[in-house]
Amino acid sequence: DVKVTQSSRYLVKRTGEKVFLECVQDMDHENMFWYRQDPGLGLRLIYFSYDVKMKEKGDIPEGYSVSREKKERFSLILESASTNQTSMYLCASSPAVGGSISGANVLTFGAGSRLTVL
Amino acid sequence: AQSVTQLGSHVSVSEGALVLLRCNYSSSVPPYLFWYVQYPNQGLQLLLKYTTGATLVKGINGFEAEFKKSETSFHLTKPSAHMSDAAEYFCAVSKGSQGNLIFGKGTKLSVKP
Repeated sequence: DVKVTQSSRYLVKRTGEKVFLECVQDMDHENMFWYRQDPGLGLRLIYFSYDVKMKEKGDIPEGYSVSREKKERFSLILESASTNQTSMYLCASSPAVGGSISGANVLTFGAGSRLTVL
Repeated sequence: AQSVTQLGSHVSVSEGALVLLRCNYSSSVPPYLFWYVQYPNQGLQLLLKYTTGATLVKGINGFEAEFKKSETSFHLTKPSAHMSDAAEYFCAVSKGSQGNLIFGKGTKLSVKP
């Protein structure tokens, strides 16, 4: 079964701490994404990656960075956490568009990581 | 630029009643359109998608959506609501060739007994 695993479901951090959110997928997908979800705002794209060591900024990249050293793993990094980064973070993956049409653009999501910054 | 508008942040229906969740999109190219569902404390799951071909798309759990290009709409319907349908529903449009999606703000569906 297709699976995206986010290592931490709940985290509590202090302002100024460095935070790592890890995401692993076992589907050999090329594309991986990090979204944040806030009530009333829906999902907003932070960063995405379409290949190992490649990254692209999404709509709200400020205050975040990412790392993709291996195809299956995509990490989101908060260099210095702030209270306005308290949110639910969702990782997703998808196959390359060059694959089958039925697979194009279908994102598979992890269960989410709820981060609270105090 | 692509965008998605979901009308109504909360919708409440009685069990057995029709479910209608509205979604309008804006896209400069023929769109790929999606509906995802999120149950409490879970990630998003794909309900259905429109890529090309038949404009009436059937998804899981009895949901369907119709792509109407003239109205730039992709409304989600289910003839008879079940208590287990209570969740948050997100409409999305594809942006770019790498498959990133633009999501609407979501509609929370409540089902009354």
